[in-house]
Parts: sequence; C-alpha cells; structure tokens
Amino acid sequence: QKEVEQDPGPLSVPEGAIVSLNCTYSNSAFQYFMWYRQYSRKGPELLMYTYSSGNKEDGRFTAQVDKSSKYISLFIRDSQPSDSATYLCAMSSDSWGKFQFGAGTQVVVTP
Amino acid sequence: DTGVSQDPRHKITKRGQNVTFRCDPISEHNRLYWYRQTLGQGPEFLTYFQNEAQLEKSRLLSDRFSAERPKGSFSTLEIQRTEQGDSAMYLCASSPDSGGYTFGSGTRLTVV
Repeated sequence: QKEVEQDPGPLSVPEGAIVSLNCTYSNSAFQYFMWYRQYSRKGPELLMYTYSSGNKEDGRFTAQVDKSSKYISLFIRDSQPSDSATYLCAMSSDSWGKFQFGAGTQVVVTP
Repeated sequence: DTGVSQDPRHKITKRGQNVTFRCDPISEHNRLYWYRQTLGQGPEFLTYFQNEAQLEKSRLLSDRFSAERPKGSFSTLEIQRTEQGDSAMYLCASSPDSGGYTFGSGTRLTVV
C-alpha cells in the first residue's frame, strides 16, 4: 500500500463549479502538506503549503488538513478551463527533507 | 530571479551513454532537491542538498547516478551507462528555510 493515495480521475466539472480534490495517507508523522498543479510536460507549480491541521485560503484555493483522519483536501472555487491540469498532493514529517507525492488527479474543466 | 532553471529541457540519448543535467536554484534557497517523475505518477525523491552537503539519497539512486552541488550553488545530476528504464522527467526543486518547494520545468530524458 502506498503511503499517499490519490484518485487519478479524470475529474470533469463544468466551468464555474467547485473542484474538490483529496488525498489520504498512512504515516501519522506527516505534518507538512503541499498541493501542486502540473500542466502536461511542465514542472509542478506550488499552490498551497500548510502545516498541521486546519484550513488555509488563498484566492480561489482552500486547503484543508484533517490529521485525525489522515485526509487532506483542496477546493478550487469558480473553476476555469485554465484550471485543467493534474493536481498533486505532497506531504512530509519535516519541512526540509523529502516529500512523498501522490500520483496526481487529472482535472478537466469544460467551458 | 526567474525561478529554478534546468538545462537541457529535453535529452535523447542512446542506451549506454552518460548524460548530465544541470539545475540552477533560486539564489536565496539553500536547499536543493532532485526528483524523478514517470508518466502518470507523482515525483519520486532522489536526493537533496543543504548548501553543498548531500544529506539524503534514495535507494532509487543506484550506483550509476551521482549528484553534486559544488559551492552550494548549482547542482548536476549525472547518469552513467543509461538504460531504457531511466527514461523519465528529472525535476529539480529548491526551498527556503521556511519550506515549500519551487520546481523547475524539468529535463525530459529519453533513452533509445
């Protein structure tokens, strides 16, 4: 079993809808969490970086961490066709070392 | 600063040849990481540096792989005697002390 599980999708939503993404993990030591957006054949782009449990909001993006359930979420409000990409979650027990990535969820926002 | 820079963007090489990739991190970031990503998968950790010290290496980094970061600035990743299984996107990232990686655009390696 992988340490980080992420549904590969594809997840198709109409423009303007809320996109809901999530990852589950097994390592209770994880306390640093990141969400990345990756367009085809490009490097990942950092969207959100959070520590421990709770919510963090940045523009149209909201990240949630529930350490008791070992579950993290990313919500994208007012989705746009330009949000069509693969979204990767990543997590680690410390802020400076290696991060464990999920396999990514492909999102398609249709006009 | 324009972010993390990787060179080359694409590399096609014949099996058995050696290849070297370069990464220039964001100048104020003292941590530098190498990851490998294959199609449909998330990035897998290879190694990381704090300044010029290589602090951790994954078991994925076989004896054919070597990474350096002389003087704590740019880094190189060399693969000797390439195999078809080495075909992947090689990603470099850098991080400030406060955390959070910034990735480069990657070097796509194709071994034929």
